[in-house]
Amino acid sequence: GEDVEQSLFLSVREGDSSVINCTYTDSSSTYLYWYKQEPGAGLQLLTYIFSNMDMKQDQRLTVLLNKKDKHLSLRIADTQTGDSAIYFCAEIHSGGYQKVTFGIGTKLQVIP
Amino acid sequence: DGGITQSPKYLFRKEGQNVTLSCEQNLNHDAMYWYRQDPGQGLRLIYYSQIVNDFQKGDIAEGYSVSREKKESFPLTVTSAQKNPTAFYLCASSASQGDNEQFFGPGTRLTVL
Repeated sequence: GEDVEQSLFLSVREGDSSVINCTYTDSSSTYLYWYKQEPGAGLQLLTYIFSNMDMKQDQRLTVLLNKKDKHLSLRIADTQTGDSAIYFCAEIHSGGYQKVTFGIGTKLQVIP
Repeated sequence: DGGITQSPKYLFRKEGQNVTLSCEQNLNHDAMYWYRQDPGQGLRLIYYSQIVNDFQKGDIAEGYSVSREKKESFPLTVTSAQKNPTAFYLCASSASQGDNEQFFGPGTRLTVL
């Protein structure tokens, strides 16, 4: 079955780069997403990458995809206190309906 | 402004009572979803609906029921059969064709007293 794994917690100092990692098992994934969740709120889509891409950059965010190892990472440059949140990795499987498998979420703590 | 709304934001229920959580979207999306979020467990799919008048069980449907009488609305009922209903409930929607992004509502926190 499909499985998405993430570490639970990451702590960084303000101004440093954050790297949040994710591994997945389903090689048929078509899209891989990063969502951000602030306390007590819903999920907000940060960025996504197609499964046929290796890298995507969007301002301070860089997504790297290693299809061979089924490894996805999200790098946040110049991390700010407003980046403190839970970050979810998610994979989308095509066919039938749009099944989404979410990781457990990585809580990013930014220390001023 | 287009988006998804959930109400109420906080809900308290006594044991043995059914309760209904509201989810409305004005994005003209065909598909809608209900997830449950517990600490340390990420999101788990309860029910989903690809089109009006149709819905399917997700991974943890026991103790829950839904209806999809209108495209804009996908209410979730937490029944007394749900053994551990205290959780954060998230509703999402997506366009059915060529658009995989799921848009999320702000969530409802349900607490059983």
